[in-house]
Formats: sequence, C-alpha cells, structure tokens
Amino acid sequence: AQTVTQSQPEMSVQEAETVTLSCTYDTSESDYYLFWYKQPPSRQMILVIRQEAYKQQNATENRFSVNFQKAAKSFSLKISDSQLGDAAMYFCASPVGDTPLVFGKGTRLSVIA
Amino acid sequence: EAGVTQSPTHLIKTRGQQATLRCSPISGHTSVYWYQQALGLGLQFLLWYDEGEERNRGNFPPRFSGRQFPNYSSELNVNALELEDSALYLCASSLGVLIQFNQPQHFGDGTRLSIL
Repeated sequence: AQTVTQSQPEMSVQEAETVTLSCTYDTSESDYYLFWYKQPPSRQMILVIRQEAYKQQNATENRFSVNFQKAAKSFSLKISDSQLGDAAMYFCASPVGDTPLVFGKGTRLSVIA
Repeated sequence: EAGVTQSPTHLIKTRGQQATLRCSPISGHTSVYWYQQALGLGLQFLLWYDEGEERNRGNFPPRFSGRQFPNYSSELNVNALELEDSALYLCASSLGVLIQFNQPQHFGDGTRLSIL
C-alpha cells in the first residue's frame, strides 16, 4: 500500500506566481522528520526543506515553505515567486515502519515564462 | 566538504551478468542507503546500512545485495541481471541511526545501469 501519497502527478505555474504541492503520509513514529526533495533533469536529488514533526511551526527556507498538519498527516510544499529554475520533479518523503525514508511518486512541476 | 560520490556514472551490462556499484558517503556519515529509480518513476528503497550492518531492505529479490566497509563506503551488487534492472541507482548517506531514526539524507549523482 502506498503510504506516502502525492496526488498531483503534474503541476504548472507561471513565473513569479505561487504553487502548492500536496503530500500525505502515514507513519506511527512519534518524533520524525519529513522532507521535500527536488530532482531537476540533471537527476541529482536536492534537499529542499525539512520539517520536524514535534515542532508546531511550519518550516521555511527562502521561497519554500511547508504547511504541516500533523493530525491530518499532511505536508504540503509552497513555492513562492516561482522561477524557471524551480522546474523539476518534487518528492516528499516520510519514515514508514522500519524504513527511515519512503518517497512519494513525485510531482512534475513546470514553470511557464 | 565532499558530497556523496558514486561510481561508475554509467554501467552497461547484458542479461545474466553481475554488476557492482560503489558509493562513498559524506565524511562523518555512518548510514548509507541505496535506491532504485526506474525511468519516470519514484525512488524505491533497496537497502540501508549503518555501522557496517544491514538495517533494513526493501521489497527486492535476494540477487540484490550489498555491504558496507569499515570506512563506511558501500557496494551494491546485482546478480543475474534482468532487463527490468535497468534504472538509475542512487546512493544517499546520513548521520547514524543512534542520533535520530530518520536523518536528512544526502544523495550522490547516481549510477545509470543499462541492461542490454
């Protein structure tokens, strides 16, 4: 069963606009990190942002922020002021069982000039 | 600080052969993870090593195996290669599990394995 779900296979956004990518997860851990990774065509996985589950405050890294709803096990990524270089596959990741990170299937983000 | 390094960058094999992929973690990292990413798909967890021990493995057949050396570098071995093994194999490293269960993982550039 898929336990890290990204329900949007593809998204597009106009340059300078804001886009939100969705992710839901299912873990029984009480203290854990959640992550968003970016994979551009160069194929390297780049850590975008992480959220510590015991922290109420949503994580923010420059133009990237998280909307973390622990009770709902939801972890969405908001990209503000989108840039052409943001075009990539985005993967969210969560611990599942004995596996430290399980990745969702990804959302392909296109940025339109 | 050097990142995670993987070798080779590309590897071409034929069906039935064996492949060995190598990974050097970031200095100070004791956990190494292997993932398979088939074309256009997400990352499938393969193996996790920490302090030289296999901690967990994903839903892959036994012909996928590996090991971690005393210097924390790691090898992934794939025996009896099949066409569907063609994929990008990514290695990641992190601080050890004793610090916290799921640490941020830092990835290498991957090895592209092609089976002819």
